[in-house]
Amino acid sequence: AQTVTQSQPEMSVQEAETVTLSCTYDTSESNYYLFWYKQPPSRQMILVIRQEAYKQQNATENRFSVNFQKAAKSFSLKISDSQLGDTAMYFCAFMNPQGAQKLVFGQGTRLTINP
Amino acid sequence: NAGVTQTPKFQVLKTGQSMTLQCAQDMNHNSMYWYRQDPGMGLRLIYYSASEGTTDKGEVPNGYNVSRLNKREFSLRLESAAPSQTSVYFCASSDLGQPDYYGYTFGSGTRLTVV
Repeated sequence: AQTVTQSQPEMSVQEAETVTLSCTYDTSESNYYLFWYKQPPSRQMILVIRQEAYKQQNATENRFSVNFQKAAKSFSLKISDSQLGDTAMYFCAFMNPQGAQKLVFGQGTRLTINP
Repeated sequence: NAGVTQTPKFQVLKTGQSMTLQCAQDMNHNSMYWYRQDPGMGLRLIYYSASEGTTDKGEVPNGYNVSRLNKREFSLRLESAAPSQTSVYFCASSDLGQPDYYGYTFGSGTRLTVV
């Protein structure tokens, strides 16, 4: 079974700084998807970024980018020029596209951006 | 607005009471899922339905039942609520076969307290 580990329960940075959230996963599959979700206090689950394992190029979405290291099974999220609105829980998730396409989540990292 | 509608948003139950959480999606997705979110544990899969007419247990199915009523609707039932079922519940839908796949679409969540 796949597992996802986020080793940083909480992080805190100043506004405008860059912050990196860590995620590692365990799988024997060669093709899969990885995601980062943001959960603000509103509780809504918001997709931040996704990565397909067969694509070597790291995904980027505006201020958000990932460092995908397939051999190391690592999938970190970098937030540049952090903003107060980035304060949220962040979840890393893994999906095997075969079968039921179940998402397996990490434990989450609570990120606080300070003014 | 297209998406996943989940009701109710909040609920307080007494131990032993029963209730059904409703979920409906208008994304024309084949797969639907129920997760629970507990502090420090991320989101864990309770039950899922890979396609209309099928349901399967996830990681934490004990104490729950589900019904895939049709392609749009997937309900979660607690037959005899216990304090350990106090949690935030999320319904989600997904369909990897659709173009420009972007991951799950989540409902807004239900905060359930069992006293």
